[in-house]
Amino acid sequence: GAVVSQHPSWVICKSGTSVKIECRSLDFQATTMFWYRQFPKQSLMLMATSNEGSKATYEQGVEKDKFLINHASLTLSTLTVTSAHPEDSSFYICSASPPTGGRGGETQYFGPGTRLLVL
Amino acid sequence: SQQGEEDPQALSIQEGENATMNCSYKTSINNLQWYRQNSGRGLVHLILIRSNEREKHSGRLRVTLDTSKKSSSLLITASRAADTASYFCATAAGTYKYIFGTGTRLKVLA
Repeated sequence: GAVVSQHPSWVICKSGTSVKIECRSLDFQATTMFWYRQFPKQSLMLMATSNEGSKATYEQGVEKDKFLINHASLTLSTLTVTSAHPEDSSFYICSASPPTGGRGGETQYFGPGTRLLVL
Repeated sequence: SQQGEEDPQALSIQEGENATMNCSYKTSINNLQWYRQNSGRGLVHLILIRSNEREKHSGRLRVTLDTSKKSSSLLITASRAADTASYFCATAAGTYKYIFGTGTRLKVLA
């Protein structure tokens, strides 16, 4: 159980176009999902917290108009990289936590990641 | 930066040896978790240790936590080639927003 999927697994796009990445919790409902970004051989940097039915909470330095997040349902969050540029090329990973009693959210399950290359 | 530090950054050992990696963090935490990431893949949860715990075991993994020193260690015993991966610690303070450490790249030589 507790599987999180991402689609697509990798994408190549031209500079200036927008790219949408989907994150789905397949066998549990997630009121909160998280989006991370990872550069080669570096750690994960939290970009934003995606809340079902409300606006996402962005980390300092992350442009909310650049990285649009929509958490439309309890099993789906999307990240849209708008007007992508080569510097947006990165590995994007989402995570979700199944609510489990009073300790809901402790364990995050990660998607397999989406590799974005902007030419 | 709130990001935790891990050391060593890279570790190369022979199969069968033990691997120890350390994580230091900066703020008070509710819990600390260790994750493994194979190259270019998502993260796999290994173990969670809460702030009131000092040590936890899971199979060949042993995690310690010293909140007074704001540090944790992950020990992998009898390492295997399949353990080759990057290992990250992640800390949470108050909310379930996790801050990841810089990671240790482990290479186990057959």
